[in-house]
Amino acid sequence: AQTVTQSQPEMSVQEAETVTLSCTYDTSESDYYLFWYKQPPSRQMILVIRQEAYKQQNATENRFSVNFQKAAKSFSLKISDSQLGDAAMYFCAYRTALWTGANSKLTFGKGITLSVRP
Amino acid sequence: EPEVTQTPSHQVTQMGQEVILRCVPISNHLYFYWYRQILGQKVEFLVSFYNNEISEKSEIFDDQFSVERPDGSNFTLKIRSTKLEDSAMYFCASRPPWGSGGVDGELFFGEGSRLTVL
Repeated sequence: AQTVTQSQPEMSVQEAETVTLSCTYDTSESDYYLFWYKQPPSRQMILVIRQEAYKQQNATENRFSVNFQKAAKSFSLKISDSQLGDAAMYFCAYRTALWTGANSKLTFGKGITLSVRP
Repeated sequence: EPEVTQTPSHQVTQMGQEVILRCVPISNHLYFYWYRQILGQKVEFLVSFYNNEISEKSEIFDDQFSVERPDGSNFTLKIRSTKLEDSAMYFCASRPPWGSGGVDGELFFGEGSRLTVL
């Protein structure tokens, strides 16, 4: 079974600075997807970024980028030029790329609460 | 922009009572999920649903739980006889068919229903 670990429960960053959120995972599969989801207070989780394991290039979405280290099973999220609106809980998630049926579930970590200091 | 909506946002119930949590997925989505998060713990997969039947369920999803899509729009989670340990935030999610645009595999989440069992 796959597991996702987010060992830092909380992090804080100064506005306009850069912060990196850590995530590690464990799997015996070679092909899979990794996700970062953001959940602002009292709002739904929304997708921030996705990485496909067969792609060596790290995914980037505007100020958000990942550092995907497949051998180390590490998938960290870097937020550049942090903004007050980035304050949220961030979840790392894993999904198999195998066809296991109509649905393949996401396996989540515990989440990291990010606060942004003005 | 279309959203997944969940009701109620918070429900308090007595142990042993039945609870129904409701979700309205995004209209063109075909795959539906329930997750839950006990305070301070991981977001856990409960069940996935496609084509009017359960596709996959976790060990948590025992005989006390059931899901249905009674009218083609609502997707409900029923807990027949609640226990104290059922207290959690319950998230509904849905996703469109593969290749329908956007990020393949992305789940769209509701804001969650907080269940408190006394």
